[in-house]
Amino acid sequence: GENVEQHPSTLSVQEGDSAVIKCTYSDSASNYFPWYKQELGKRPQLIIDIRSNVGEKKDQRIAVTLNKTAKHFSLHITETQPEDSAVYFCAASKRDDKIIFGKGTRLHILP
Amino acid sequence: DTGVSQDPRHKITKRGQNVTFRCDPISEHNRLYWYRQTLGQGPEFLTYFQNEAQLEKSRLLSDRFSAERPKGSFSTLEIQRTEQGDSAMYLCASSLVRNQETQYFGPGTRLLVL
Repeated sequence: GENVEQHPSTLSVQEGDSAVIKCTYSDSASNYFPWYKQELGKRPQLIIDIRSNVGEKKDQRIAVTLNKTAKHFSLHITETQPEDSAVYFCAASKRDDKIIFGKGTRLHILP
Repeated sequence: DTGVSQDPRHKITKRGQNVTFRCDPISEHNRLYWYRQTLGQGPEFLTYFQNEAQLEKSRLLSDRFSAERPKGSFSTLEIQRTEQGDSAMYLCASSLVRNQETQYFGPGTRLLVL
């Protein structure tokens, strides 16, 4: 079955700097890659997703890239702000199938 | 609130007791998923339904766990003879297959087994 690895497990960046979180997946049939943000005690919230027919997607300060050949995908947050502090999960799934999550990255934005 | 809702939000029980959780998906969403999340981990898939049919169950789901979605709308997850290792956040998510895979999560039910 699908396995999603996520790195780093913890990331601290200075406010205003960029943060990058990287993930790999094992099942080449996976074609949908969502990213969720989870604040303490709250539900995971979808922040951006990418499908396998594109290599990059951007939404304001957030961008995702996908390398299908290498089975890598990454989340980039630019101009980080204090409210970006949270746990971020990458995930992968095949069409209309369950989502397999990574173990998460705890992002700390330092003042 | 038209999002996914779950009830109860918190449950404390003694080992050996049975518990039941409820999930109400976004209306018209035909897919409903159950996940379990422990501290410091990502959500782990348990089972999912399309309408009233249970399509897949994870190997994590022991025979003490059962889920239903009798009318294709709300779903229940029951844990029988709870164990301390069942303590976790139980998350429900729903999606509309026509909209492909985007899943929206509920607030979760936090279970503590003493």
